[in-house]
Amino acid sequence: AQTVTQSQPEMSVQEAETVTLSCTYDTSENNYYLFWYKQPPSRQMILVIRQEAYKQQNATENRFSVNFQKAAKSFSLKISDSQLGDTAMYFCAFMKQRGNQGGKLIFGQGTELSVKP
Amino acid sequence: NAGVTQTPKFRILKIGQSMTLQCTQDMNHNYMYWYRQDPGMGLKLIYYSVGAGITDKGEVPNGYNVSRSTTEDFPLRLELAAPSQTSVYFCASSTNTEAFFGQGTRLTVV
Repeated sequence: AQTVTQSQPEMSVQEAETVTLSCTYDTSENNYYLFWYKQPPSRQMILVIRQEAYKQQNATENRFSVNFQKAAKSFSLKISDSQLGDTAMYFCAFMKQRGNQGGKLIFGQGTELSVKP
Repeated sequence: NAGVTQTPKFRILKIGQSMTLQCTQDMNHNYMYWYRQDPGMGLKLIYYSVGAGITDKGEVPNGYNVSRSTTEDFPLRLELAAPSQTSVYFCASSTNTEAFFGQGTRLTVV
């Protein structure tokens, strides 16, 4: 069975600085996606970034980037130039793939990020 | 484009009552999911479905039942509600590259 572990329940960062959120996972699958989702106080789940397991190049979306270490089963999220609007709960997630239609999706415990002015 | 729609948004149940949380999606996704989120915690998978007529247990299925008679609908049934089922429930559907979530249902069992 797959597991996703986020070992940092809470983190804080000063506005404009950089912060890294950690995530490790365990799987015997070769074909999967990894995601970071953001959940602000509104409870809405917002996709931040995704990484395909077969791609070695780390994904980047504006101020958000990942460090994907497949052999170590590690998938950290780096937020550069942190903004007050980045304050939220962040979830790491794993989806194993069945063809091109998706698969079982499981989440880590979350990291509560506070950006301080 | 409605996406994933959950109803109701809030509900208070008495211990032992039953209810069904409704979920529908209009994106023709095969995969659908039900999660529960306890305060300050992550999303735990209750059940998921790979298509109409096919469902499978997740991490915390006890006390819940699901059905998937159509691609669009994936209701979650609570039988004999217990205080331990007080939580926020999320329904989601997915492609292979992204999951789309409903707005959540806050359920309190008293």
